Amino acid sequence: NAGVMQNPRHLVRRRGQEARLRCSPMKGHSHVYWYRQLPEEGLKFMVYLQKENIIDESGMPKERFSAEFPKEGPSILRIQQVVRGDSAAYFCASSAGPSPGNTIYFGEGSWLTVV
Amino acid sequence: KQEVTQIPAALSVPEGENLVLNCSFTDSAIYNLQWFRQDPGKGLTSLLLIQSSQREQTSGRLNASLDKSSGRSTLYIAASQPGDSATYLCAVLTGANNLFFGTGTRLTVIP
Repeated sequence: NAGVMQNPRHLVRRRGQEARLRCSPMKGHSHVYWYRQLPEEGLKFMVYLQKENIIDESGMPKERFSAEFPKEGPSILRIQQVVRGDSAAYFCASSAGPSPGNTIYFGEGSWLTVV
Repeated sequence: KQEVTQIPAALSVPEGENLVLNCSFTDSAIYNLQWFRQDPGKGLTSLLLIQSSQREQTSGRLNASLDKSSGRSTLYIAASQPGDSATYLCAVLTGANNLFFGTGTRLTVIP
């Protein structure tokens, strides 16, 4: 049973470009979470999604960031017009149901570098 | 708003020593508390999860305690080994379905 798969693992973008990060949850998991880890900071919650629904996006920046979890395929975190401050590690996690009661499993992260 | 603090930020110990990592949180209304390990450039590995009704959990050389009323948790590592070198993260789960993380303690175990 494969774990949470994220790709790309490393991504370099120039300022102004778009970054797309993909996350395939564990098999059987329909709940996905995205977290961001800025350099020298702790992980911060961004968004919580179920299939085709955004449940909680209270941690998402208001502009340039969007997330989706379609009925088929991986969850996508999209960052438009990237700036240097977007350079961070982006972690995806998944669970079989809402927590508590369901363990959250993390992927290995996608490291975005904006040059 | 929940805030999670970890002390110390970094710790170096000689191999074989027992050590304690500390975590504190400001809002005691949590469902559970989890300790993770993060290696450089890698994802998070869950070490121990303590439900809010529990006082401690043990796994091998690791023991985590939780005092929910005072907003504190400790991770005790016995007989440390160089392979234990990593960043240890504490996180609390609130009712909002998201985890609040501390900034971690970077542990170095010197052979």
